[in-house]
Amino acid sequence: DTAVSQTPKYLVTQMGNDKSIKCEQNLGHDTMYWYKQDSKKFLKIMFSYNNKELIINETVPNRFSPKSPDKAHLNLHINSLELGDSAVYFCASSLLAGVGTDTQYFGPGTRLTVL
Amino acid sequence: DQQVKQNSPSLSVQEGRISILNCDYTNSMFDYFLWYKKYPAEGPTFLISISSIKDKNEDGRFTVFLNKSAKHLSLHIVPSQPGDSAVYFCAATNSGGSNYKLTFGKGTLLTVNP
Repeated sequence: DTAVSQTPKYLVTQMGNDKSIKCEQNLGHDTMYWYKQDSKKFLKIMFSYNNKELIINETVPNRFSPKSPDKAHLNLHINSLELGDSAVYFCASSLLAGVGTDTQYFGPGTRLTVL
Repeated sequence: DQQVKQNSPSLSVQEGRISILNCDYTNSMFDYFLWYKKYPAEGPTFLISISSIKDKNEDGRFTVFLNKSAKHLSLHIVPSQPGDSAVYFCAATNSGGSNYKLTFGKGTLLTVNP
């Protein structure tokens, strides 16, 4: 049973397109996250949602819009894709919000390539 | 601004020996530290953590040491096994902060040779 799943695993698209990445967790967690791992290998937080409410919004272009239809899902929509958006995007979840020591569980990642 | 630094991009050790992975941080507000392990084409998985009120935490073959004055932590794996070959990420957070985010280092690729 996959705890945190992401689709698609690979995404190759042209500059200027709009694309979405989906994430689902079956752990019953309240909090979900999106991270970006760029070419320099840093894993950086982008967004966090707790029970469908946005709680972390780092400095990310407006072209990135997260959407949480329910607490088990957090999707990432990207408009007008640019070359610099090429990266691996990881979804994660944790049981509680407001608990800095709570373990985060990661999905397998989505490798986005913008041509 | 790298608040968490892993200065060794790679480390190679023999099976059965000790692996020592190092991590330095600059933000004095960090008080909780974690190590994550990542295999290719998979997401990071939690390995071990330590709170700043401790200087050591042990879990089986894995031990994390924290030196707060030096803002340095290390992960010891002993004995190392080939299955330990992976990228190891150090992460840190301010557990009492208003946003509950982890700051990661760039990772160290550990290769354990049979």
